[in-house]
Amino acid sequence: AAGVIQSPRHLIKEKRETATLKCYPIPRHDTVYWYQQGPGQDPQFLISFYEKMQSDKGSIPDRFSAQQFSDYHSELNMSSLELGDSALYFCASSLVGAPEKLFFGSGTQLSVL
Amino acid sequence: SQQGEEDPQALSIQEGENATMNCSYKTSINNLQWYRQNSGRGLVHLILIRSNEREKHSGRLRVTLDTSKKSSSLLITASRAADTASYFCATLAPLVGSARQLTFGSGTQLTVLP
Repeated sequence: AAGVIQSPRHLIKEKRETATLKCYPIPRHDTVYWYQQGPGQDPQFLISFYEKMQSDKGSIPDRFSAQQFSDYHSELNMSSLELGDSALYFCASSLVGAPEKLFFGSGTQLSVL
Repeated sequence: SQQGEEDPQALSIQEGENATMNCSYKTSINNLQWYRQNSGRGLVHLILIRSNEREKHSGRLRVTLDTSKKSSSLLITASRAADTASYFCATLAPLVGSARQLTFGSGTQLTVLP
């Protein structure tokens, strides 16, 4: 069965650079969530989208933005990267009719040098 | 502060033993879920228990929920080396509008020694 696809798997950037992470939800899933997990930390909710509209916002820095496109894939754009942005970024998807169960991608490991 | 706090933070047991992990949370919930994460990998959904349920089983997993104490436990019976991973509880607040975010606890690192 198709799962949530994230790309790239690994990304290395320098301070002050920008990064774009992509997420392709499970087909027919209409809700996408982004989470950030720092080293040894629990996942922190960043932002979510339902039917291409932002549905909820968590601890997402102003330097980050995200959107969901017409094909339901989502992109997380990160600018003016800081060392502290180094983390594993997860995308998850769900169906509005079954919002309780999230399916997570394998994540993008971002390293900011 | 975190919605879910887990204990212990780390647990090391021998293969065949049972492992129990606990989670506490602070606010009202719609349901509580347990996830597993292998090192540096994605989160895998294990089991979900609703706020009106007290116990649930799935294979070697047993989850309990005590809403009066705002706590849950995950029991893995007859552990295997392959169960070595981090285990997180996550809570879903009662649905308000479109808010459906999961709030994760700090996780328990389980090591099962062969």
